[in-house]
Amino acid sequence: GQNIDQPTEMTATEGAIVQINCTYQTSGFNGLFWYQQHAGEAPTFLSYNVLDGLEEKGRFSSFLSRSKGYSYLLLKELQMKDSASYLCAVRVISNYQLIWGAGTKLIIKP
Amino acid sequence: GAVVSQHPSWVICKSGTSVKIECRSLDFQATTMFWYRQFPKQSLMLMATSNEGSKATYEQGVEKDKFLINHASLTLSTLTVTSAHPEDSSFYICSANPTSGSLSYEQYFGPGTRLTVT
Repeated sequence: GQNIDQPTEMTATEGAIVQINCTYQTSGFNGLFWYQQHAGEAPTFLSYNVLDGLEEKGRFSSFLSRSKGYSYLLLKELQMKDSASYLCAVRVISNYQLIWGAGTKLIIKP
Repeated sequence: GAVVSQHPSWVICKSGTSVKIECRSLDFQATTMFWYRQFPKQSLMLMATSNEGSKATYEQGVEKDKFLINHASLTLSTLTVTSAHPEDSSFYICSANPTSGSLSYEQYFGPGTRLTVT
């Protein structure tokens, strides 16, 4: 079956760094995505990894290890507006369908 | 970037009536669109994959006769919730993949439609 695991909730302090982990077991693999979702809104795209390694985009970075079925999203210089749910999703090869993790609710404290 | 719109953004309907939600890709063509449902404090649940010019593929447990999907063109997919009941109240979100081009790996989301059935 398809399975994606990520922590349910994390808390961090404004200005700090936080790492959100995601492990996956899927029948196929054609890329891993991270999305941010604020309450009551649709998800917005953050990053995409298809090869092993680190992708950096401003304050956000995403890492992938395909052999370990593992990814993380790293958020630096945390701001209050970063309080949101962060969703990890894996694209299986067929039909571009994404398999979604349950999301990690990130709470930022002053 | 690519933009996906949904209409309406929110709707309140009476139990037993039907509601149609539109999903449009505004500046790209999408052979495939996806319909999700999200209940409060839960993650996205894929309902169905909408394929232009053919029948939608429904996920296990999703009633195809209740959630009618039509993908008549490369820029429009519609979801009709028939004979809606209060338990159908949810946040419905569509997404689309560009058919080709440099952005074709990403799934773009519409802003969502909040349905409340009274």
